[in-house]
Amino acid sequence: EVQLVESGGGLVQPGGSLRLSCAASGFTFSDHYMDWVRQAPGKGLEWVGRSRNKVHSHTTEYAASVKGRFTISRDDSKNLVDLQMNSLKTEDTAVYYCARGYCSSTSCPDFYGMDVWGQGTTVTVSS
Amino acid sequence: AIQMTQSPSSLSASVGDRVTITCRASQGIRNDLGWYQQKPGKAPKLLIYAVSSLQNGVPSRFSGSGSGTDFTLTISSLQPEDFATYYCLQDYNYPQTFGQGTKVEIK
Repeated sequence: EVQLVESGGGLVQPGGSLRLSCAASGFTFSDHYMDWVRQAPGKGLEWVGRSRNKVHSHTTEYAASVKGRFTISRDDSKNLVDLQMNSLKTEDTAVYYCARGYCSSTSCPDFYGMDVWGQGTTVTVSS
Repeated sequence: AIQMTQSPSSLSASVGDRVTITCRASQGIRNDLGWYQQKPGKAPKLLIYAVSSLQNGVPSRFSGSGSGTDFTLTISSLQPEDFATYYCLQDYNYPQTFGQGTKVEIK
């Protein structure tokens, strides 16, 4: 079964750090882009960032709101993708989802969207 | 960043109704647009990618159309399980941006 399971959420004070993990199973992890998307309470979806696949040397992209504070890393040998969050702000409070990127091929000339999602993990930034 | 403007922000409809949701991009995004469905407390679900391609397992009552800057999601005959919030997402460039969502409620 294709599955993504996030972990690592919790309560953290403003200025603090937290590391989220996403464990993948049921597919060839190294072939896929992996994205993080968040949703603040009662709000819409916000794309956070991306780790490209092995073909694209695991390069990353970030939303402006998190660039310089958040870092995405992955370990293809363990089928894990992490989101390291530093200098957290109250506005980072959200449910964080990891999602699998769906491309036309491993070189990803065409990105088709995020076709598998985890259940989400909740991050609360509050004093 | 490309702005994605969805309309309406909410709508009330009955089972069997035809429902149309639109998404307008602040600049041309080729066909790099997808639609997602989200139910309360659940993760989003990919419905349509590349404007009009139906994701595996998604009922054929869902369809997408459009080009350039204007896109549409249509549900041809609304079913009880379709009451949810729908989001468009452009992946033409970074940062990827979602529309603000359209909540489809029961009339």
